[in-house]
Amino acid sequence: AQKITQTQPGMFVQEKEAVTLDCTYDTSDPSYGLFWYKQPSSGEMIFLIYQGSYDQQNATEGRYSLNFQKARKSANLVISASQLGDSAMYFCAMRGNGQNFVFGPGTRLSVLP
Amino acid sequence: GAVVSQHPSWVICKSGTSVKIECRSLDFQATTMFWYRQFPKQSLMLMATSNEGSKATYEQGVEKDKFLINHASLTLSTLTVTSAHPEDSSFYICSAGTFISTDTQYFGPGTRLTVL
Repeated sequence: AQKITQTQPGMFVQEKEAVTLDCTYDTSDPSYGLFWYKQPSSGEMIFLIYQGSYDQQNATEGRYSLNFQKARKSANLVISASQLGDSAMYFCAMRGNGQNFVFGPGTRLSVLP
Repeated sequence: GAVVSQHPSWVICKSGTSVKIECRSLDFQATTMFWYRQFPKQSLMLMATSNEGSKATYEQGVEKDKFLINHASLTLSTLTVTSAHPEDSSFYICSAGTFISTDTQYFGPGTRLTVL
């Protein structure tokens, strides 16, 4: 069975600072994908970044980067230069071959002015 | 990125009535659509997976007779909550995508259902 753990229910960060949101996962699939989504108060789920299990390099998308440590089964999201608009719930998710997404419990990020 | 729409965005209904929620992929054909349910301050819970032209696959504990899913085309899936009760009040989100593990899902904006 697949499982995603996000141990930080809530995080605070000062505007313009960087923040790391933790995510660990468990799977027996040799091939899988890891995803991060942002959910603002409006409720929509916004795709942020993707990391494949066989990707050699950590994924980056603008201010988002994924710190992928396969041996530790962790896929932490790093947001650089935080903005007030980054305040939201953040979900880590995983998908094995042909399988459904499994979501973590989420981390609520609050960016302080 | 791909766009997925949901309609309605919010609905209030009386207990015992049925509510239909539509999910459309606007600029791509989705072989698979997923329906999720999200309670306040909780994560998304997968309810069912629907493939175009075939019966939906429901997750354990989800009543298929209560939550009817129809995926009539590659761009439209509907979820009907039959004989809704207050405990069915929740945020329902659909997503569209493929079964390829490297592909992300694209989510609709969600539908907030309140059953009085």
